[in-house]
Amino acid sequence: EIVLTQSPGTLSLSPGERATLSCRASQSVSSSYLAWFQHKPGQAPRLLIYGASSRATGIPDRFSGSGSGTDFTLTISRLEPEDFAVYYCQWYGRSPWTFGQGTKVEIK
Amino acid sequence: QVQLVQSGAEVKKPGASVKVSCKASGYTFTSYFLHWVRQAPGQGLEWMGIINPSGDSTTYAQKFQGRVTMTRDTSTSTVYMELSSLRSEDTAVYYCAREGNPLDYWGQGTLVTVSS
Repeated sequence: EIVLTQSPGTLSLSPGERATLSCRASQSVSSSYLAWFQHKPGQAPRLLIYGASSRATGIPDRFSGSGSGTDFTLTISRLEPEDFAVYYCQWYGRSPWTFGQGTKVEIK
Repeated sequence: QVQLVQSGAEVKKPGASVKVSCKASGYTFTSYFLHWVRQAPGQGLEWMGIINPSGDSTTYAQKFQGRVTMTRDTSTSTVYMELSSLRSEDTAVYYCAREGNPLDYWGQGTLVTVSS
């Protein structure tokens, strides 16, 4: 099973700042199967990035993904008020699909 | 438009079973696998398993093997997730999600509370 470890656990930033979230896999994985989700309280998770770097439909270009092998990054170039949420990386290459434990981006 | 509409909240006693439904619309039901993901209070997202609505094949996370059953009804475009031998740790919001590279549409979530 692929274990995904996200860091930091919490990121305290102000609107307009840049957010950099990390996701490390327990072994090298194909970047074709690495996704990022945004999750807000009371809502369903929202797909942001798939294939490590492709934005899902309707996702603003301030969200970008990168990485390969074991290290992946989600970058939010300039935080908007609606971006404060929990972010999860996910690997979906084969069963079992796994999620990281999440990074909370909170308002400083 | 694609929609996944889940059944309402449930309260169950320890040892009981719960069956959550997820009705799909706006696309060809048999063309996309459906997954179940849960989130316990204060915890992260946890993948439970997958069902192929076309062939009824399933794959479950090892953690839930023997306790979870995923089924589908093609006549109503609905998938079901039944979890048995409930314990307090199963208190969570349960989501269904369509596998569209990878999970592009989600249900609204169903809160299952396990309490004596």
